[in-house]
Amino acid sequence: ILNVEQSPQSLHVQEGDSTNFTCSFPSSNFYALHWYRWETAKSPEALFVMTLNGDEKKKGRISATLNTKEGYSYLYIKGSQPEDSATYLCAPANQAGTALIFGKGTTLSVSS
Amino acid sequence: AAGVIQSPRHLIKEKRETATLKCYPIPRHDTVYWYQQGPGQDPQFLISFYEKMQSDKGSIPDRFSAQQFSDYHSELNMSSLELGDSALYFCASSPRDHPRDTQYFGPGTRLTVL
Repeated sequence: ILNVEQSPQSLHVQEGDSTNFTCSFPSSNFYALHWYRWETAKSPEALFVMTLNGDEKKKGRISATLNTKEGYSYLYIKGSQPEDSATYLCAPANQAGTALIFGKGTTLSVSS
Repeated sequence: AAGVIQSPRHLIKEKRETATLKCYPIPRHDTVYWYQQGPGQDPQFLISFYEKMQSDKGSIPDRFSAQQFSDYHSELNMSSLELGDSALYFCASSPRDHPRDTQYFGPGTRLTVL
């Protein structure tokens, strides 16, 4: 069972602020790390899948980095907008075809 | 683009009744996962199927069973329903190993047990 920790648990920022969250996971037997965005009353939406140490992925104002040696990933949001309000979940995998073991997530609230 | 389809979207049942939830994966996705999300909780993995065979098992109660059919759709059968089974049930599908098993989630079925 993978032990996943995300911090902070919740975050409240003003529109236009940039912010970042952390996902910590066991560094042994790493296969992939998934980031999901989950809005209330919707299903989780895949943001990134990261596989290589040093990976950086970007999607619009959201980007993520990966350090597999020390077991962490950062998710950055530049210039937060109210529509970014959601829970951001990370889920590491240690082999192909395994279920996602989600962290508790970071719940972001962006005020206009 | 086609997404994962789940039916029904909402279901209300009485205690001790049975329920069947259906999941239709994205075309050409061969793997299906079922998750249960209780009130205020993270999604918990129940069971998964790859090429119509059970591939992994999580915290699925013995009262529940599931299968994947030849057209890759999957059904989750729940018997002797209990109040604690009230939850949002997500199905996700993925093509094996591409890209690294990214799972695409359906809209969920909200089950309420009275």
